[in-house]
Amino acid sequence: EAGVAQSPRYKIIEKRQSVAFWCNPISGHATLYWYQQILGQGPKLLIQFQNNGVVDDSQLPKDRFSAERLKGVDSTLKIQPAKLEDSAVYLCASSLDPAGQYGYTFGSGTRLTVV
Amino acid sequence: DAKTTQPPSMDCAEGRAANLPCNHSTISGNEYVYWYRQIHSQGPQYIIHGLKNNETNEMASLIITEDRKSSTLILPHATLRDTAVYYCIVSGGGGSNYKLTFGKGTLLTVNP
Repeated sequence: EAGVAQSPRYKIIEKRQSVAFWCNPISGHATLYWYQQILGQGPKLLIQFQNNGVVDDSQLPKDRFSAERLKGVDSTLKIQPAKLEDSAVYLCASSLDPAGQYGYTFGSGTRLTVV
Repeated sequence: DAKTTQPPSMDCAEGRAANLPCNHSTISGNEYVYWYRQIHSQGPQYIIHGLKNNETNEMASLIITEDRKSSTLILPHATLRDTAVYYCIVSGGGGSNYKLTFGKGTLLTVNP
């Protein structure tokens, strides 16, 4: 089966600019996650969707970050305006069921550099 | 907050078995233990997961203690390509709100 697709692979922007990332999960996977991974740290969950509804966005900095999954399939994560500390790899993951009985699959991520 | 404890680093000789320990003393009865690894610049790669019983697949074996408070990931014949950060994760939540909370993981270095 095809994996979790993410684009772009790399992005460099100046601080205060906006940026958007795209994720297409594995077909049929109802649960989708966005993680932020700062260099040297483990991934940190930003937001979790179940179909097109938000299950958990408690760690999402809502003053600058937003995410949507309008049709319950692909998703976008946006940052506006970006700060230097947003430099990180943004990972998308999906699972067939929320409890992850069948595992979670991660994409290759988008590496964001804010200068 | 991460609910697992792993050593920060381990070394292993190529061709030998790598045994990576993990403590998860607060695990609940319906929570799975997952192992992922991450090679530099790549997304986390699924290795194996289990609930109560030991599990084996083409990549590794997972040994979970009877009380489920700890587990060991075994790579039976480590190769240089197995050098990576290994994360032991307990899925947390309930209903639709299960998620993986990553800790710092173990950096496994396989030496020639």
